[in-house]
Amino acid sequence: EVQLLESGGDLVQPGGSLRLSCAASGFTFSSYAMNWVRQGPGKGLEWVSGISDSGSGGSTYYADSVKGRFTLSRDNSKNTLYLQMNSLRAEDTAVYYCAKRDNINAFDIWGQGTMVTVSS
Amino acid sequence: SYELTQPPSVSVSPGQTASITCSGDKLGDKYASWYQQKPGQSPVLVIYEDSKRPSGIPERFSGSNSGNTATLTISGTQAVDEADYYCQAWDSGTVVFGGGTKLTVL
Repeated sequence: EVQLLESGGDLVQPGGSLRLSCAASGFTFSSYAMNWVRQGPGKGLEWVSGISDSGSGGSTYYADSVKGRFTLSRDNSKNTLYLQMNSLRAEDTAVYYCAKRDNINAFDIWGQGTMVTVSS
Repeated sequence: SYELTQPPSVSVSPGQTASITCSGDKLGDKYASWYQQKPGQSPVLVIYEDSKRPSGIPERFSGSNSGNTATLTISGTQAVDEADYYCQAWDSGTVVFGGGTKLTVL
């Protein structure tokens, strides 16, 4: 079964750091681009960051709202995607979803999400 | 930056056809996807590459994309279709989501 399992969400103070993980199973992780999408309380979906598949060089992309503060990486040996989040702000409070991009220009598999709360 | 605009809400009677629009500059030149999200659940892909349905998605879901507007159509809408729907497109390597439309079946 194809599955994505996020972890690492927590309550953190403004200015703090957090690392999210997304463990993949059921597919060849290295062959697919992966992304993070977040959803603030009562709000819509917001794309955060994406990383291309290993064959495409593992290039990373970021939304302007997180550029310079968040870093996306992948460890294909562990089938895991990471999102390092620094200088966190209250507006980063959201459920963070890991999503697999299939070869269909869309996100075909989503994780269950992990909650990040930035508050003092 | 690129923007996608959706109506905040759409209402439909059971058995009728619901249409949800998504507008963006020259959106028809890009691929549009649609996601369904029910309360407390993760999004689910219902339409990709403008009009294709993933396996397991009912035939009553269809899509089109031309000019500046993509449209998700649900024929014979059922109560289980009540959810938030988001359109999505790619722009210069980044991903853009519409603001979402709450579909009410009443």
